[in-house]
Amino acid sequence: QSALTQPPSASGSPGQSVTISCTGTNSDVGVYNYVSWYQQHPGKAPKLMIYEVSKRPSGVPDRFSGSKSGNTASLTVSGLQAEDEADYYCSSYAGSNNNYVFGTGTTVTVL
Amino acid sequence: EVQLLESGGGLVQPGGSLRLSCAASGLTFNSYAMNWVRQAPGTGLEWVSAISGSGGSTYYADSVKGRFTISRDNSKNTLYLQMNSLRAEDTAIYYCAKARRVCSSTSCYTYYYYGMDVWGQGTTVTVSS
Repeated sequence: QSALTQPPSASGSPGQSVTISCTGTNSDVGVYNYVSWYQQHPGKAPKLMIYEVSKRPSGVPDRFSGSKSGNTASLTVSGLQAEDEADYYCSSYAGSNNNYVFGTGTTVTVL
Repeated sequence: EVQLLESGGGLVQPGGSLRLSCAASGLTFNSYAMNWVRQAPGTGLEWVSAISGSGGSTYYADSVKGRFTISRDNSKNTLYLQMNSLRAEDTAIYYCAKARRVCSSTSCYTYYYYGMDVWGQGTTVTVSS
């Protein structure tokens, strides 16, 4: 169960967009559409931002969007706001043997 | 409002045992699969274990298989994680998290990998001599 690969950091100015990648394999991201994204502020529990690759739970701003191509999923935050500064983790179902895996995490900084 | 409240964390010696609890409120508990996720100090999230709504199916990460046991008491709306043979590398904040449920026109389904839409505040486990 190797962690999915994310860049350690990403940044953008207020109002700009930032995209975070999440690279897996053809045993997880590449074959299942059960990719989720979580936002975590320091000292807080994670919050679900995207599920099933591109769907947003109610209450999550439409500035957050998800997509997938091959073995790589992506989270895009448009119109960056100060409160978007946080750690972001992707996750994916990995089948009945490998079960479930999180990404390595990306710290988003709003400049 | 759905709430999850973990308890049972603490300091334990290597090789020791601990049982975590997660009390759920504001939902029909047996309708949802549940997960345990941990976060070691200064590191990322790690999925630990999951259980179906009925409790009949359980799933474990390789790192805890054979040492941890997940269970639930639906009559008490409570999720558990029994942790045995604890190691220093098990030191972490342990979160319980509720899985989403998807409903069609005829039925509803909940699987642990549907996305975790409600999380507890976490309970800290420290394994040290």
